Amino acid sequence: DAGVIQSPRHEVTEMGQEVTLRCKPISGHDYLFWYRQTMMRGLELLIYFNNNVPIDDSGMPEDRFSAKMPNASFSTLKIQPSEPRDSAVYFCASNWGGETQYFGPGTRLLVL
Amino acid sequence: SQQGEEDPQALSIQEGENATMNCSYKTSINNLQWYRQNSGRGLVHLILIRSNEREKHSGRLRVTLDTSKKSSSLLITASRAADTASYFCATRAMDSSYKLIFGSGTRLLVRP
Repeated sequence: DAGVIQSPRHEVTEMGQEVTLRCKPISGHDYLFWYRQTMMRGLELLIYFNNNVPIDDSGMPEDRFSAKMPNASFSTLKIQPSEPRDSAVYFCASNWGGETQYFGPGTRLLVL
Repeated sequence: SQQGEEDPQALSIQEGENATMNCSYKTSINNLQWYRQNSGRGLVHLILIRSNEREKHSGRLRVTLDTSKKSSSLLITASRAADTASYFCATRAMDSSYKLIFGSGTRLLVRP
């Protein structure tokens, strides 16, 4: 299996622009998690899905952030409009049964 | 907010020495997991210990859990330069949620 796939790997954008991050979980996994990692706040869970349904979005910072999972093999995290404080590495992870999580390589986002 | 706090924040040892990292958490847990993150990469699961277990081994890794003190330790024996990475503990709460709360991490440097 190719593992969790994230795209793009790097994104540089200007403040106010819309940013869309993409994730393809490992085939057969029924849980998908979105995390954000920064030096100041460490690794934070933003939202997670089970069988394509959002279960807990309490970590989503504000209305500028939204996440969708239209099918079992694809999820997006959108930031609109983006701000410099959104600069971080965003990770997607997946698993089955909810225990050990398999992380993607991350998307490094820089908002200027 | 982070559940776990790790100690030390950074550790530098010589190849062949043992490395010990500690993690403290605040609430009752279902299980505790340790992950490794190489620079610029995603997290990789190392080991999971359940709340009713006190010690677990996997290769050169030894994990202990003391639920009365709400703490865990990760011991890496006979360290290698390839063990250089950041190590994170992550806890899953006793509720039905599959959320993992990550600690702040320990940066380990193994000098050749």
